Amino acid sequence: GQNIDQPTEMTATEGAIVQINCTYQTSGFNGLFWYQQHAGEAPTFLSYNVLDGLEEKGRFSSFLSRSKGYSYLLLKELQMKDSASYLCASLDSNYQLIWGAGTKLIIKP
Amino acid sequence: IAGITQAPTSQILAAGRRMTLRCTQDMRHNAMYWYRQDLGLGLRLIHYSNTAGTTGKGEVPDGYSVSRANTDDFPLTLASAVPSQTSVYFCASSEVPESTDTQYFGPGTRLTVL
Repeated sequence: GQNIDQPTEMTATEGAIVQINCTYQTSGFNGLFWYQQHAGEAPTFLSYNVLDGLEEKGRFSSFLSRSKGYSYLLLKELQMKDSASYLCASLDSNYQLIWGAGTKLIIKP
Repeated sequence: IAGITQAPTSQILAAGRRMTLRCTQDMRHNAMYWYRQDLGLGLRLIHYSNTAGTTGKGEVPDGYSVSRANTDDFPLTLASAVPSQTSVYFCASSEVPESTDTQYFGPGTRLTVL
């Protein structure tokens, strides 16, 4: 079956660094997406990885290991506005997104 | 501002009633999608359309129907609503279907079926 696992909730301190992990098992693989979703709002695109390694984009970086079926999202210099849910999604062989349930990130001052 | 609009924002509906959720995009994207989002679960694909005039079934299509008469509009219809269809519904679009293209989401419709 297809499965995406990520922690339900994480807490971090303003100014710190947090890593949100995601493991995936899908029928085929065409890349891994991360989206941010603030409470009551739509998901918005953060990153896409298809090759192994780390991709950096400002304060946010995303890592992929295809052999391990593993990705993480790294958020640096945390700000209060980063409080949101972070959704991991794998693009399967039919180019359909299989979504994790999301990780709710709580930032404390 | 270009993007996706959905209507209504929220709705309370009696079980057994028919309901159409509207979705319109002005980005001229070929592909459109309907998802539902429930607490503790990931987004689940209901139906999709790769181009105007075509539609396909997603992971959870039962009880829902869609149409794609033109590029911009992709309405989702619940023929006879049931309480298990209480959810937040998101419409999304991408420029190229069946590709690695990013999907862009509308603001969502919160539906409660009593």
